[in-house]
Amino acid sequence: GAVVSQHPSWVICKSGTSVKIECRSLDFQATTMFWYRQFPKQSLMLMATSNEGSKATYEQGVEKDKFLINHASLTLSTLTVTSAHPEDSSFYICSATPGRGGHEQYFGPGTRLTVT
Amino acid sequence: QKEVEQNSGPLSVPEGAIASLNCTYSDRGSQSFFWYRQYSGKSPELIMSIYSNGDKEDGRFTAQLNKASQYVSLLIRDSQPSDSATYLCAVTDGAGGYNKLIFGAGTRLAVHP
Repeated sequence: GAVVSQHPSWVICKSGTSVKIECRSLDFQATTMFWYRQFPKQSLMLMATSNEGSKATYEQGVEKDKFLINHASLTLSTLTVTSAHPEDSSFYICSATPGRGGHEQYFGPGTRLTVT
Repeated sequence: QKEVEQNSGPLSVPEGAIASLNCTYSDRGSQSFFWYRQYSGKSPELIMSIYSNGDKEDGRFTAQLNKASQYVSLLIRDSQPSDSATYLCAVTDGAGGYNKLIFGAGTRLAVHP
């Protein structure tokens, strides 16, 4: 149980375009979903926390107008990187919490974004 | 600034030995503690959770928690080359809602045959 999927697994886009990444909890309802990014050989950096039906909470330094998060249902959250630039190239990973009282997060497989 | 500290490693152990990974945290309000394993190029995978002081065993893994010392550890018995990965310690943010976790930078474990 507790499977989280992400789509796409990798994407290459041109500078100035937008990219949407989907995160789905496949076998549970996720009260909360999280979005992280990770640069090579660095630790996870939390970007934002989202709850179904409410606005995402962004971490300090993360541009909310650039990284748009929509948590449309209890099983789906999306991250849209708008007007992407090469410095946005990174490994984006979502996670979800079942919300049964525990706080464990289950991670999706990640999306590798390359902006050319 | 709430922090989770881990030795970056690499921690090198021979196959069959016990690997001991340690983690300290600064937030006394943290209530839940997790160990994740991350292979290179992959996303983290939850391997252990612990919520109360003492030991918790699951197969070859044992998590240990000491809230008074703000210390969490992970023991891996009979280490295998397939255990070679980065191990992330994570604790709940005591003041944060929405189950936010604070991650350490990870300890790289190398198990050599």
